[in-house]
Amino acid sequence: QQQVKQSPQSLIVQKGGISIINCAYENTAFDYFPWYQQFPGKGPALLIAIRPDVSEKKEGRFTISFNKSAKQFSLHIMDSQPGDSATYFCAANNNNDMRFGAGTRLTVKP
Amino acid sequence: NAGVMQNPRHLVRRRGQEARLRCSPMKGHSHVYWYRQLPEEGLKFMVYLQKENIIDESGMPKERFSAEFPKEGPSILRIQQVVRGDSAAYFCASSLAQGAYEQYFGPGTRLTVT
Repeated sequence: QQQVKQSPQSLIVQKGGISIINCAYENTAFDYFPWYQQFPGKGPALLIAIRPDVSEKKEGRFTISFNKSAKQFSLHIMDSQPGDSATYFCAANNNNDMRFGAGTRLTVKP
Repeated sequence: NAGVMQNPRHLVRRRGQEARLRCSPMKGHSHVYWYRQLPEEGLKFMVYLQKENIIDESGMPKERFSAEFPKEGPSILRIQQVVRGDSAAYFCASSLAQGAYEQYFGPGTRLTVT
C-alpha cells in the first residue's frame, strides 16, 4: 500500500519558471513532511520540511504548501535553475516511520 | 562536521556470497535507518536502529537480511546469500534522537550482484 503518492513522475521546466511537485498522503498520523533532493549517484539531501500546524513554509526559492484537510502538500521551486535539475522526493513521517513518494525527476532547461 | 559515512560506495558480489554494508552516523546521532532504492524508484524503509537495539525492522525481508548497531563502531547491514534481486542502492540515514525527525542521508552503497 503506497502511503505517499507523488506526481508528476517527471517534469521539464524552462529556466526562470516555477516547478511544482505534488504529494498526497493517507495516514493522518503523519506529522512531519520533508522534501529531499537527490542528484545522480548521491544520497538524498534534506531540502525543506514542514509540520502540519502551518500551511506554508518558504526557504529561499523553495516553498512548501500544506493542505491538512485535503492531506496534500506541494513543493514550489521559484525561478528554477538548471542546477535544480535532480530527483525530488516528498516524505511523510510519524515517530521515525518515514514513507517516501516515488520521486519526481526535474529537468530545468537553460 | 562530518556527515553520514557509508562504505564501501560500490560493492560487487557473486550470487550466494555475503554483502556487508557499513554506516557511521553523524557525530552525536544515535539513531540509524537503512533504506533500499531500486533504479528509478523511491526509497523503501528497511530497518531503524538505536545503539544495541533494533527498534523497527518491519521493512526488512525476513530471510537473509540482518542489521546491527553495536555500542562501538558503525551500523552494519548484512545480506547473506545474495541474489540478483538484491542489486540496489542502500542508503543509511541518521537522526539526533527519536522525535527529532530530521534524517540525514549518507552517499549510499551501490550493490551489484552478478
